[in-house]
Amino acid sequence: AQSVTQLGSHVSVSEGALVLLRCNYSSSVPPYLFWYVQYPNQGLQLLLKYTSAATLVKGINGFEAEFKKSETSFHLTKPSAHMSDAAEYFCAVSEVNAGNMLTFGGGTRLMVKP
Amino acid sequence: KAGVTQTPRYLIKTRGQQVTLSCSPISGHRSVSWYQQTPGQGLQFLFEYFSETQRNKGNFPGRFSGRQFSNSRSEMNVSTLELGDSALYLCASSSQIIANTEAFFGQGTRLTVV
Repeated sequence: AQSVTQLGSHVSVSEGALVLLRCNYSSSVPPYLFWYVQYPNQGLQLLLKYTSAATLVKGINGFEAEFKKSETSFHLTKPSAHMSDAAEYFCAVSEVNAGNMLTFGGGTRLMVKP
Repeated sequence: KAGVTQTPRYLIKTRGQQVTLSCSPISGHRSVSWYQQTPGQGLQFLFEYFSETQRNKGNFPGRFSGRQFSNSRSEMNVSTLELGDSALYLCASSSQIIANTEAFFGQGTRLTVV
């Protein structure tokens, strides 16, 4: 079974600083990879997804992620953090022949300091 | 285009009771998935329905069940509620049942079991 590990349950950055949220997956076959964001008392919103077309994926709100097969990683970055980026971020994977079933990492809460 | 609608938003139930949660997917979407979100276990997949048929199932006891109607609306039921069932239950709809399809999430139903 797939598993997803997000290093760091809490990450704090200053406004304007680089955001780096880490995600590693366990699979011998590259799965489909997603990053979702969840604001308080809300559902999840898709930031970006990797589907093998390109290893560097650009998403909404200035976020991007790079798929590195050799490191089984899919880290999320944003060059300059905004206060509005404070939220919880989830990395998720899905597998071929498993429908839309998503396996999520434990989540990383991003805090942005003024 | 209306998003995914979950009702009710909040519920308080007593141990031993049963509960039914409702999810209306985005118009035209035929896949509906359910997830349980708790602080301790994170986001866990419950089941997925497509065209009124359960296509995938997570590792939850039989007290958790669901169904999908011909208009794609879905319900999930939890019988004999336990304190540990307190969680945010999220519904997601997708246009297809292919692994790289974006899932659109509702705001969730927060269930508290007392």
